[in-house]
Amino acid sequence: AQSVSQHNHHVILSEAASLELGCNYSYGGTVNLFWYVQYPGQHLQLLLKYFSGDPLVKGIKGFEAEFIKSKFSFNLRKPSVQWSDTAEYFCAVISGGYQKVTFGIGTKLQVIP
Amino acid sequence: DVKVTQSSRYLVKRTGEKVFLECVQDMDHENMFWYRQDPGLGLRLIYFSYDVKMKEKGDIPEGYSVSREKKERFSLILESASTNQTSMYLCASSLRGGANVLTFGAGSRLTVL
Repeated sequence: AQSVSQHNHHVILSEAASLELGCNYSYGGTVNLFWYVQYPGQHLQLLLKYFSGDPLVKGIKGFEAEFIKSKFSFNLRKPSVQWSDTAEYFCAVISGGYQKVTFGIGTKLQVIP
Repeated sequence: DVKVTQSSRYLVKRTGEKVFLECVQDMDHENMFWYRQDPGLGLRLIYFSYDVKMKEKGDIPEGYSVSREKKERFSLILESASTNQTSMYLCASSLRGGANVLTFGAGSRLTVL
């Protein structure tokens, strides 16, 4: 069964600091990878996704993630965070031919002005 | 604008009551999902459906059932609510194959007393 691990459960950063959130998945075959974000009081929404091709994908609001197949990782990065990035971030994976999306437990990011 | 609507935002029920959570999407999506979101546990998949009248168990189906009589509607049923089912319930939908990007509803916060 596929699984997703997010290593940082709660991250506190000052504005302008760089961000990297770790995500590892368990499935060894073809995967589709996602980062979703939930801003306070809002719906979960897609931040970025990887299906194939360039392993460095760019999403909304300056976020990017790198797919490293040999490390089963899909880490999320942003060079300079803003207070408005305060949210909970979820890594997710679909593997094989299934439609089932498996999520990690999430990382709460708090950005201090 | 694409939309997933969960009819009840907040519900309070008593132990043993039967609970229906309704979800409707207007995007003609084939796949629909029910997750529960709990602090420290992330999103856990309860059930999903990839077509009308089809359903698949997710990771935590015990104590729940689902119904999908029409493509746009996916209902989650708690036959006999228990206090450990107090949670935020999220409905989502996606197109079959290809993108598999989930569109989420606003959530239904259920409290079981």
